[in-house]
Amino acid sequence: DTGVSQDPRHKITKRGQNVTFRCDPISEHNRLYWYRQTLGQGPEFLTYFQNEAQLEKSRLLSDRFSAERPKGSFSTLEIQRTEQGDSAMYLCASSPRATGELFFGEGSRLTVL
Amino acid sequence: DAKTTQPPSMDCAEGRAANLPCNHSTISGNEYVYWYRQIHSQGPQYIIHGLKNNETNEMASLIITEDRKSSTLILPHATLRDTAVYYCIVGPAGGTSYGKLTFGQGTILTVHP
Repeated sequence: DTGVSQDPRHKITKRGQNVTFRCDPISEHNRLYWYRQTLGQGPEFLTYFQNEAQLEKSRLLSDRFSAERPKGSFSTLEIQRTEQGDSAMYLCASSPRATGELFFGEGSRLTVL
Repeated sequence: DAKTTQPPSMDCAEGRAANLPCNHSTISGNEYVYWYRQIHSQGPQYIIHGLKNNETNEMASLIITEDRKSSTLILPHATLRDTAVYYCIVGPAGGTSYGKLTFGQGTILTVHP
């Protein structure tokens, strides 16, 4: 399967711990997006990379959140000092061009106890 | 981005056409209409998008009214696997924001045997 890959699929952590999620986009997709989805809601945009440059960040992305995309390939999303409100599905998507047609991964579900 | 209004839920019999409506009365002239769906516990899946003309692909048809204030997604022969949340999104028209999609609550489509 050459789709968007996310790891881990599930993460349970205690409040205050740091967690990191990884996203491997479809090969040669230079655009990469992170979204967050809480239970019963639609996904919400967090941030966007074009190649290695982070071009846009949502206000939802507090200073405890950091995303990187070194070398314009895979991306990581780190959450420091997790809070129970961070519990959500973190979705990664990629796209080969400037379009709203995104290819989403299966998501990484975070549970903060 | 323009907001969209969708019914919270709809039912459809297997084998029949499913017609999912969406209102987007504040859409601007260069904004696209996108449809995604999300099957339980999976990432969103792109279905189709259009600007002003009707569009068809292997998954669905998109009918956009002449005034562009509403649209209908048509699944011609619904199957049980089409049971999902369907999101109608008015997408940004340009710049770096193509993939910055605003998902609403969507329509829960349930296909019955």
